[in-house]
Amino acid sequence: KQEVTQIPAALSVPEGENLVLNCSFTDSAIYNLQWFRQDPGKGLTSLLLIQSSQREQTSGRLNASLDKSSGRSTLYIAASQPGDSATYLCAGSYGNKLVFGAGTILRVKS
Amino acid sequence: DTGVSQNPRHKITKRGQNVTFRCDPISEHNRLYWYRQTLGQGPEFLTYFQNEAQLEKSRLLSDRFSAERPKGSFSTLEIQRTEQGDSAMYLCASSPGGSGANVLTFGAGSRLTVL
Repeated sequence: KQEVTQIPAALSVPEGENLVLNCSFTDSAIYNLQWFRQDPGKGLTSLLLIQSSQREQTSGRLNASLDKSSGRSTLYIAASQPGDSATYLCAGSYGNKLVFGAGTILRVKS
Repeated sequence: DTGVSQNPRHKITKRGQNVTFRCDPISEHNRLYWYRQTLGQGPEFLTYFQNEAQLEKSRLLSDRFSAERPKGSFSTLEIQRTEQGDSAMYLCASSPGGSGANVLTFGAGSRLTVL
C-alpha cells in the first residue's frame, strides 16, 4: 500500500527561523513529489514539484529535496515569516493519482 | 481563465438528503480529478476522468457516490442518501495531457456538512 507520512504534525517557530518539514513515502515507484500549501478552509496551492529524476527544486525561500532510494523528501523554508503559517502537504504521484500525507501545521510567531 | 471553480463552496444538509457538487476545470485541461479531505487529514483520491471517460475510481467511492463529466468539460459529484461520515471537503483538480499530466491545479473545494 502506498503511504505518505509527514513529520512533525505541527511546528511552531519564531519569525526569522529556518525550518525543515519532512515527508516519507513507502513506495519508491514515484513519478514525482509535490509540496502544497493549504490555508484554513481553503484549497491547495502548489509550491514545488520534483520529478523523480531530480534531486531538488527551489522557489524563493523554499527548497525541496527528493531521495527516492530512502523514500524521503524535505521542504526547507528559509527566514520564516508569519505569512508562512499554514498547513504544508506533500504528495507522491503514482499513476493517475496523488497520495497525500496528513500535513504539517506550521505556525510562525511574530 | 480563473482556474478551477467549484460550487457550492459550502453545503449543509440533513442526513439522508442528496447533494451535488459541480467542478469547472481549466478550459484546456482534459484531465479532471475528485479528492475528499476530512479534518486533519490529507486529501484522498476518489476518481479521475480523461475527457468524458471515467478511468479510475477509488474503493472510497461507494455506490452512493456518482461522478460524471458528460461533455468532457465540467464535472458533477453526487452523493445520495448522505451520512454524517460524508462530511468533508470535496476537492476538484484538473491537469493537461502530455508532460503536464501530473501537474494538478486544485480548486478551493466544496465543504459538506451533514447534520
